[in-house]
Amino acid sequence: AQSVTQLDSQVPVFEEAPVELRCNYSSSVSVYLFWYVQYPNQGLQLLLKYLSGSTLVKGINGFEAEFNKSQTSFHLRKPSVHISDTAEYFCAVSGQNTGGFKTIFGAGTRLFVKA
Amino acid sequence: DADVTQTPRNRITKTGKRIMLECSQTKGHDRMYWYRQDPGLGLRLIYYSFDVKDINKGEISDGYSVSRQAQAKFSLSLESAIPNQTALYFCATSDQDNYGYTFGSGTRLTVV
Repeated sequence: AQSVTQLDSQVPVFEEAPVELRCNYSSSVSVYLFWYVQYPNQGLQLLLKYLSGSTLVKGINGFEAEFNKSQTSFHLRKPSVHISDTAEYFCAVSGQNTGGFKTIFGAGTRLFVKA
Repeated sequence: DADVTQTPRNRITKTGKRIMLECSQTKGHDRMYWYRQDPGLGLRLIYYSFDVKDINKGEISDGYSVSRQAQAKFSLSLESAIPNQTALYFCATSDQDNYGYTFGSGTRLTVV
C-alpha cells in the first residue's frame, strides 16, 4: 500500500530565507510524485511533478524538488521565499496498486512567510 | 472560465437534508474525482470515475453518492447530511496517464 508523510505540519520562515518542506512516501511500485499548493480560499494547483528521468524537478514560482529513491523522499525547496508563498503545500504519490492506479495525498504543510 | 467549475462555492444546510454538489470541466479529461479536505487530514478520496459508465468508491464513500451525467459533469450527493460531513469538498480531473490533477475551487459545506 502507498502512503505519504509530510514531516512538518507548519513551517514558519522569514522572507528571503530558504525553505525545505519534507515529504516521504512508501510504495512497493514505481510512482509518480507531485507537489500541490493551495492558497487561501482556493483549490489546489499543481506546483511540480516527477514522472521519470532527472531526479531534480523544477516547478512554478521558483520551487524545485528532488526525488531520492533510496530515501523514498521528495522534498520541496525554494532558495528565497516571498510573502506571497504563504500557503498550504501538499505532497502526493500516484502508483499502481491492486485496486488500480491511485493517488494518495499527504496531510499538508502550512508555510508561513514572515516579513 | 475555470477549467473545473464547482457549484455552489458555499452552502449551509441542516442535518437530514439532501444536498448535491456539482462539478463540470472543460479539460476534456475522462477521469473525475471527488475529494474531501479536513484540517490536518489532507485530502481523502470519496468517489472517482474513469469514464461515463465507470463509478468507483474511494476510501470514505459512506454517506455519499455520485452521478456521472456526461464526460464533463460529475455530481456528489449527500443523501441525509450530518454535521461531521462539514468540510471543504473538491472536484478534480486528470487525463488517462494521471500526470497530475486539475482541481476546482472547492465547495465549503456546513451542516448544522
